[in-house]
Parts: sequence; structure tokens; C-alpha cells
Amino acid sequence: QQPVQSPQAVILREGEDAVINCSSSKALYSVHWYRQKHGEAPVFLMILLKGGEQKGHEKISASFNEKKQQSSLYLTASQLSYSGTYFCGTAPSGSARQLTFGSGTQLTVLP
Amino acid sequence: DSGVTQTPKHLITATGQRVTLRCSPRSGDLSVYWYQQSLDQGLQFLIQYYNGEERAKGNILERFSAQQFPDLHSELNLSSLELGDSALYFCASSVEDRGTEAFFGQGTRLTVV
Repeated sequence: QQPVQSPQAVILREGEDAVINCSSSKALYSVHWYRQKHGEAPVFLMILLKGGEQKGHEKISASFNEKKQQSSLYLTASQLSYSGTYFCGTAPSGSARQLTFGSGTQLTVLP
Repeated sequence: DSGVTQTPKHLITATGQRVTLRCSPRSGDLSVYWYQQSLDQGLQFLIQYYNGEERAKGNILERFSAQQFPDLHSELNLSSLELGDSALYFCASSVEDRGTEAFFGQGTRLTVV
């Protein structure tokens, strides 16, 4: 089942912060975050495997709350290059293997 | 460059025809995923293979089929094509069948006319 992302779209000024949320109705094994620019392939940002895990990647970090089956992506001091569509992908616990993506959050950073 | 190679990059074909999309995973990756992305839409999971075996199936139409060969490359076959099949088809690969990052190829843009 597809994870739910919010918000659907966000517009920021350079230097502002943003949070993108991803939630699932199923118990999760992992959460993956990707960024896709128009007409290009999704680019891997990070993967979170453990409940409560937090990871950072320059000014982009993420958390995973295993109990709530929720993950959040934090973008701080946004740059123009952060613009794009952000997708979370989830892999369920148990025997299932598919990596299913949410519908995406379109992030636009303005000068 | 992710290391995942998809061919062809573009494909234009008529309704009712059959096409084959090819994917070569990154060196060392055993798992291959296929996704369909329609215009400005999300990534719809189609199917996953791991070391030659089907591991997961999503909303893949019966007209579509896939396989992963002993050299680990994968092919997605689309038959009896309809206008609605026009989309960007992505292949991704990862080392394991879950829990490891998946890297995407540049995609094949299929246009059915």
C-alpha cells in the first residue's frame, strides 16, 4: 500500500526550512527518501532502517518513528538546488519486498 | 551517473505493438525493480526481481511481463500497447532485496501513438 506524503507542495525562499512527512498504515522495515528533478531520474538521499533512527546528509536529515510508522525529511537553510519532487519509499516488514513510493512533495525554492 | 543503464532512452510505437525495455543493474547489485511514471505522477511499482527470481509484484498489467537473466540484466516486455501505456519507465537496482539503497536508471520514455 502506498505511503501518504504531506504536504503535496511547498514553496520556500532561499534559507528557509521545510519538513516533509511520510506515513504508512503498515509496519515498516525501511524508509527511503529520493529527490527527482523534472525529466530526470530519482536520486537517492538516504535510507532509514531502525525505529527512531535519524540520519543527516549535509543540511538534509530525516527521522523514522517506527511505532507511528512515520518518517520526516528535514531541509534546513534551503538552497535553490533543493527544488524538485521528494518521494518517500517504504518497504514493509515481513515477507513482502516491494519498495512502494508516495505520490511526492513538490518543493520549490525561490531566490 | 547511477551506474544503472536503461535502453532505449526513447521509444515511439503504435497501439497494439509490443516492445522490450532493457535494464543493466549496477555492478554487484542483485535486485532489480521496475517502475512506471506517467506524466507528472508518482512512481508506480511494477515488479521486483532478485538474483533471477521474482520477489514482489505490484500493479503490473497482464499485458506486461518481466524477467531477470543469469547475467542479472532485466527486461520488461509490454504488449498490446495502448495510448495509456505512454509513460517513463524506470529501472532501479540494489544490492539486497530490501533494506539497501536503490539506484535509478535514466528511464525509457515510451510514447504510444
